[in-house]
Amino acid sequence: DTEVTQTPKHLVMGMTNKKSLKCEQHMGHRAMYWYKQKAKKPPELMFVYSYEKLSINESVPSRFSPECPNSSLLNLHLHALQPEDSALYLCASSQDPGSSSSGNTIYFGEGSWLTVV
Amino acid sequence: GNSVTQMEGPVTLSEEAFLTINCTYTATGYPSLFWYVQYPGEGLQLLLKATKADDKGSNKGFEATYRKETTSFHLEKGSVQVSDSAVYFCALGHLRDDKIIFGKGTRLHILP
Repeated sequence: DTEVTQTPKHLVMGMTNKKSLKCEQHMGHRAMYWYKQKAKKPPELMFVYSYEKLSINESVPSRFSPECPNSSLLNLHLHALQPEDSALYLCASSQDPGSSSSGNTIYFGEGSWLTVV
Repeated sequence: GNSVTQMEGPVTLSEEAFLTINCTYTATGYPSLFWYVQYPGEGLQLLLKATKADDKGSNKGFEATYRKETTSFHLEKGSVQVSDSAVYFCALGHLRDDKIIFGKGTRLHILP
């Protein structure tokens, strides 16, 4: 089973709202990721958590705040977003950072479609 | 630096046609190579992968062979179906590295 579950599937929020995207995996994976995908573009990496610690932040604006409460959960807190932040937000996980056996295969969730109005 | 180049789309084929989507890469060392597929309105699904030279990844009738001499990982399928219509991303990842690098994606349309 290679399932990454994301909620909500769709979210509409105003520019003054605070909301969160949630992600869960029960595969024992030790790395979790947030990606942002605009229409007709490849996913862009935002954050990586490795063993529950933030290991990569790709210069993402502070209005996006990631949180990893435990090894199975990953949140993305959203505050004061702009309309250009509207996109598909993808969560992903991989088994073991730097594992040679897995080839560092990354498994994606179905995504959360975010619209900022 | 590391990069992935894949053929521009959209690619339009008739059902049962032969498919090739080209992918070449630039990388130091020995990367792992992946093909992901994204169906309309959905997230990315891992289609197949290869972790070393001459490996062949295969799934759902799709195949790709890791060619180090030509730095390529072309995706092929002998007979496509309408249900294969999607965007296909070639990607590269390194051992001991949490990042993967995506190509720009190739949109595939299969006509009945």
